[in-house]
Amino acid sequence: NSKVIQTPRYLVKGQGQKAKMRCIPEKGHPVVFWYQQNKNNEFKFLINFQNQEVLQQIDMTEKRFSAECPSNSPCSLEIQSSEAGDSALYLCASSRQNNQAPLFGEGTRLSVL
Amino acid sequence: GEQVEQLPSILRVQEGSSASINCSYEDSASNYFPWYKQEPGENPKLIIDIRSNMERKQIQELIVLLDKKAKRFSLHITDTQPGDSAMYFCAAMGGSNNRIFFGDGTQLVVKP
Repeated sequence: NSKVIQTPRYLVKGQGQKAKMRCIPEKGHPVVFWYQQNKNNEFKFLINFQNQEVLQQIDMTEKRFSAECPSNSPCSLEIQSSEAGDSALYLCASSRQNNQAPLFGEGTRLSVL
Repeated sequence: GEQVEQLPSILRVQEGSSASINCSYEDSASNYFPWYKQEPGENPKLIIDIRSNMERKQIQELIVLLDKKAKRFSLHITDTQPGDSAMYFCAAMGGSNNRIFFGDGTQLVVKP
């Protein structure tokens, strides 16, 4: 069983609504990634953190998403105003250190109607 | 741009034969190459990895090869079984900011 816990498993939103998903990384893993996996199974990197600090994020994430990894609370990724093209599987992953394969959660499947 | 290229996108093999998936990468700073298997409706799971100080690694029926000079790496599954049918993703890590770049995946179908 995956030790990266993502909630909710499924999320349905209307266009323009906020969509928020959460991730509890594996214990002892300070590095957290968020990826979007589309219906063609392609991965798009969104953002990564080391502890509470953002390491890197793409332009889309900076403009339309808000994400954080506060200490002692789940990490979160929120789309401020959902668009149909945001429908995808959102995968959170964590790792203990740089250059270690991240462990993936089971994902949040977002449908924007 | 395409950081990691993965081919083929679909691979159909007969049970008991071998399957090979090939990846290439752009960033010469990449030094760690994990492979993930993803079954329908599930999350990607790490199956094998290789670091740049190695050229070959084997875990049971899985073999990974790395050619740093050519910036290519590959996964070989020997004696495939129907349970090996899944999406397989290669990835490359090691550049700045701890990014991991995924290939676009290979759909492996093992026919009984």
